[in-house]
Amino acid sequence: DGGITQSPKYLFRKEGQNVTLSCEQNLNHDAMYWYRQDPGQGLRLIYYSQIVNDFQKGDIAEGYSVSREKKESFPLTVTSAQKNPTAFYLCASSMATSTGELFFGEGSRLTVL
Amino acid sequence: KQEVTQIPAALSVPEGENLVLNCSFTDSAIYNLQWFRQDPGKGLTSLLLIQSSQREQTSGRLNASLDKSSGRSTLYIAASQPGDSATYLCAGLTGANSKLTFGKGITLSVRP
Repeated sequence: DGGITQSPKYLFRKEGQNVTLSCEQNLNHDAMYWYRQDPGQGLRLIYYSQIVNDFQKGDIAEGYSVSREKKESFPLTVTSAQKNPTAFYLCASSMATSTGELFFGEGSRLTVL
Repeated sequence: KQEVTQIPAALSVPEGENLVLNCSFTDSAIYNLQWFRQDPGKGLTSLLLIQSSQREQTSGRLNASLDKSSGRSTLYIAASQPGDSATYLCAGLTGANSKLTFGKGITLSVRP
């Protein structure tokens, strides 16, 4: 079935460690996104990519990094520079940024111990 | 800067009731408006997408409308069921960089 796969679903990290969240889509979508969701704050955009080998910062990019080496993959690294990384992370994709319907993965919950 | 507001934050209704969820936005230059459903601990599921040239979209018991001039969208749920209990979010796409702005969501509880 077509869709977006995020892994792992749950991840625990010690302070000072970098962690990478995986996002893979088989929808043949050009655009991919990473959002962070915190209780009471709604979704906030971390990074987005419209084409392979290109990506832009969203509203809260500090402490995060991404790559887009393949159309179907958009991994997110949460670095030790991110001061408050405990959150629910959501990956999404759309055919195009200008008009496309947005589809989401099931999310990854990161907890810093 | 686009702002999207969903009020109230939570709503509880008895089973079978028809209900309307509201979504307000400040920038009428909106490309599209999308409604999502989120179950606890899960990702968002797309329900309906309304392009700026459309006024409404329907899917089963759901109907979403878009009024750009008044800055409002509504999601109508007919004959609500306990399985409709979830958080409903709306998001508007605006701006030269095609930015999607989300509301904080309305948590709906349908009582049996």
